[in-house]
Amino acid sequence: QKEVEQDPGPLSVPEGAIVSLNCTYSNSAFQYFMWYRQYSRKGPELLMYTYSSGNKEDGRFTAQVDKSSKYISLFIRDSQPSDSATYLCAMSVSNAGKSTFGDGTTLTVKP
Amino acid sequence: DAEITQSPRHKITETGRQVTLACHQTWNHNNMFWYRQDLGHGLRLIHYSYGVQDTNKGEVSDGYSVSRSNTEDLPLTLESAASSQTSVYFCASSESASEVTDTQYFGPGTRLTVL
Repeated sequence: QKEVEQDPGPLSVPEGAIVSLNCTYSNSAFQYFMWYRQYSRKGPELLMYTYSSGNKEDGRFTAQVDKSSKYISLFIRDSQPSDSATYLCAMSVSNAGKSTFGDGTTLTVKP
Repeated sequence: DAEITQSPRHKITETGRQVTLACHQTWNHNNMFWYRQDLGHGLRLIHYSYGVQDTNKGEVSDGYSVSRSNTEDLPLTLESAASSQTSVYFCASSESASEVTDTQYFGPGTRLTVL
């Protein structure tokens, strides 16, 4: 079993919809939780990060971490066609950089 | 502007050949990483380095090697390329032990095909 499992998708939604992307994990030592966005044929770029449990909001994006359930989510409000990309969750035990990634969920937002 | 670059962007090689993929960053980051990305497997860590002369094996290190002789570069070598190593390779870097996050900055990727 993988340490990090991500809802596989693909996901297709109409413009303006609320999108929920989810990952579960098995390693209770994970403390840092990240979401990366990857456009086609590009490298991933950091979208959101959270340390330990809780919520974090940045514009239309909200990241949630529930360590008791070993479950993290990324919510996108008022989704836009420009949000169409693959979203990768990532987690690490320490802040020294070694992360474990989920397989990614590909999102398409249709105009 | 600081950046991270990879070369070549595309490479076709034959089974058994030695191949080296270059990664160069200008942020002066101590930490550097190599990942491969395949359909159905996401990003998998190959090797990583926390500083000059430091290298560590990741999840899928067999058949790969790295060396770190300066802060800016972490070349990845496939000693004897195999078809199973056909993949997209990403290099990344991050600062040491940031208080809050270990944000990794990724390069544009190298698409390697082994025939």
